Amino acid sequence: GENVEQHPSTLSVQEGDSAVIKCTYSDSASNYFPWYKQELGKGPQLIIDIRSNVGEKKDQRIAVTLNKTAKHFSLHITETQPEDSAVYFCAARSFGNEKLTFGTGTRLTIIP
Amino acid sequence: SAVISQKPSRDICQRGTSLTIQCQVDSQVTMMFWYRQQPGQSLTLIATANQGSEATYESGFVIDKFPISRPNLTFSTLTVSNMSPEDSSIYLCTSQTPNKETQYFGPGTRLLVL
Repeated sequence: GENVEQHPSTLSVQEGDSAVIKCTYSDSASNYFPWYKQELGKGPQLIIDIRSNVGEKKDQRIAVTLNKTAKHFSLHITETQPEDSAVYFCAARSFGNEKLTFGTGTRLTIIP
Repeated sequence: SAVISQKPSRDICQRGTSLTIQCQVDSQVTMMFWYRQQPGQSLTLIATANQGSEATYESGFVIDKFPISRPNLTFSTLTVSNMSPEDSSIYLCTSQTPNKETQYFGPGTRLLVL
């Protein structure tokens, strides 16, 4: 089955700087890659996703890049703000499979 | 995006008892899933809640411990049976519409078993 690895497990960034979180996946048939943000005491919230026919997608300060050859995808957050502090999870899903496989999570702390 | 609510939001239970968690979606969805998130950990899929048929369980999870109901396209329940302290977790439901790949999470139910 699919295996998703996520790095780093913790990340501290000065406010205003950029943050990058990376994930690798094992199943070359995976074609959908969402990112979730989980704030303390809340359920995960979808922040951006990308499909395998696209190499990059941006939404304001958030972007995701996908390298299908290397089987890795990354979340980029620019101009970080204190409200970006949360745990971020990447996930992957294979074509024809309804289930998501999640990474282990990254705790992002923005230092004011 | 679908709006998902869960009840209860949190509970403290005694070992040996059972708790039923409800999940309500504001629109009809094809797929509903139940996840467990142990303290400080990632999300582990428990089962897929199928409308009109038995749930499909992942390895390590069994129907006797986690019975699931899905009576219609907007509602599902998960029961945590004969609880032990190891069942202390956040339990989350998600929904997915047939023409969209996206899964949306509910707010979660925080369970503490003493």
